[in-house]
Amino acid sequence: AQKITQTQPGMFVQEKEAVTLDCTYDTSDQSYGLFWYKQPSSGEMIFLIYQGSYDEQNATEGRYSLNFQKARKSANLVISASQLGDSAMYFCAMRGRDAGGTSYGKLTFGQGTILTVHP
Amino acid sequence: EPEVTQTPSHQVTQMGQEVILRCVPISNHLYFYWYRQILGQKVEFLVSFYNNEISEKSEIFDDQFSVERPDGSNFTLKIRSTKLEDSAMYFCASSRDGHYGYTFGSGTRLTVV
Repeated sequence: AQKITQTQPGMFVQEKEAVTLDCTYDTSDQSYGLFWYKQPSSGEMIFLIYQGSYDEQNATEGRYSLNFQKARKSANLVISASQLGDSAMYFCAMRGRDAGGTSYGKLTFGQGTILTVHP
Repeated sequence: EPEVTQTPSHQVTQMGQEVILRCVPISNHLYFYWYRQILGQKVEFLVSFYNNEISEKSEIFDDQFSVERPDGSNFTLKIRSTKLEDSAMYFCASSRDGHYGYTFGSGTRLTVV
């Protein structure tokens, strides 16, 4: 079974500063994928960034980067140059396998971190 | 950019009534999912659907729930007899390969009164 843990219920950051949102995971799979999603107050789920377990380099997408430490089973999201529009709930998620070891793409989510950006 | 479309955006129903939540996945996607999010909580997997059958379901997805892909474009979630605790946001998602490229719909907020 897969498990995702986000230990920060809420985070605050000053506009234009960088912030790191923590995510640790637990899996026995050798091949897996890690995702970050943003959920603004309007409710939709917005894909931010993906890291495959075999990717040697940390993923980056614009102001988002993923600090992937495989041995520590952590996949922290770094947002650089925070903007007021970054205020939202952020979810870390993992692509898992069913009990028989087949992957149909089920995502397991963490509890989320509410990020508030102050002007 | 292709979208996953969910209707309705909001639904209010009385306890014990049946509801059908509708989704139109991206046309060349092969894997389909329903998730739910109780207000303020994490997103929970309900069911995955591939090759016209359920491929995996969670313990939440009991006999009150069913899914269908009736016409090759729509993907529906039916709740047979709604309970107060079914009040949540329900997300449909689809993926071409079940591996990387997931697209979520904007959700249906279900309120059971």
